[in-house]
Amino acid sequence: KQEVTQIPAALSVPEGENLVLNCSFTDSAIYNLQWFRQDPGKGLTSLLLIQSSQREQTSGRLNASLDKSSGRSTLYIAASQPGDSATYLCAVQETSGSRLTFGEGTQLTVNP
Amino acid sequence: DTAVSQTPKYLVTQMGNDKSIKCEQNLGHDTMYWYKQDSKKFLKIMFSYNNKELIINETVPNRFSPKSPDKAHLNLHINSLELGDSAVYFCASSLNLGQSSPYIQYFGAGTRLSVL
Repeated sequence: KQEVTQIPAALSVPEGENLVLNCSFTDSAIYNLQWFRQDPGKGLTSLLLIQSSQREQTSGRLNASLDKSSGRSTLYIAASQPGDSATYLCAVQETSGSRLTFGEGTQLTVNP
Repeated sequence: DTAVSQTPKYLVTQMGNDKSIKCEQNLGHDTMYWYKQDSKKFLKIMFSYNNKELIINETVPNRFSPKSPDKAHLNLHINSLELGDSAVYFCASSLNLGQSSPYIQYFGAGTRLSVL
């Protein structure tokens, strides 16, 4: 059974810092991995999707990497801003159209 | 226009009642999902439908019954509500065109259910 773990559970940084969020999964036979952002009282917004054959994806100040063999992914946020404050969720999908298995999230606070 | 919309956004009800949550997507997707986010913010899959057919049914009490009248809708009906059903329920949708198409799942804003 796939299990997804995210470290740290919470992170507080001053504005402008570069930071890394970590995600690990127990079964490396994944189809893709997605990083989501969840704002309080809101739904999930997909940030980046990495296919199992890819090593990284970039979108603006965000860079996500995937090391399937070791069961790890990282989300790198450059030059953090207060607007980046949210909970970041990592999720793996094992086959096309199947469920997402989520980690418990990292709650990020960027202080002005 | 909202891509995945859920109604209601908030639902407060008494134990033992029956309630429904509706979900509609206007993205032309063929797969829809229901997830439950508990008080610890942990998201878990409940059901998935592809082209109106049930394809995922996790270990969920049979008081929960999904219904998909068409590809664009997946409603969740809950009978005999219990205190432990209090959570945020998220609907999502995606395309599912086979192994070569890793499509993103798009989520609704969630329905916060409180059972008193």
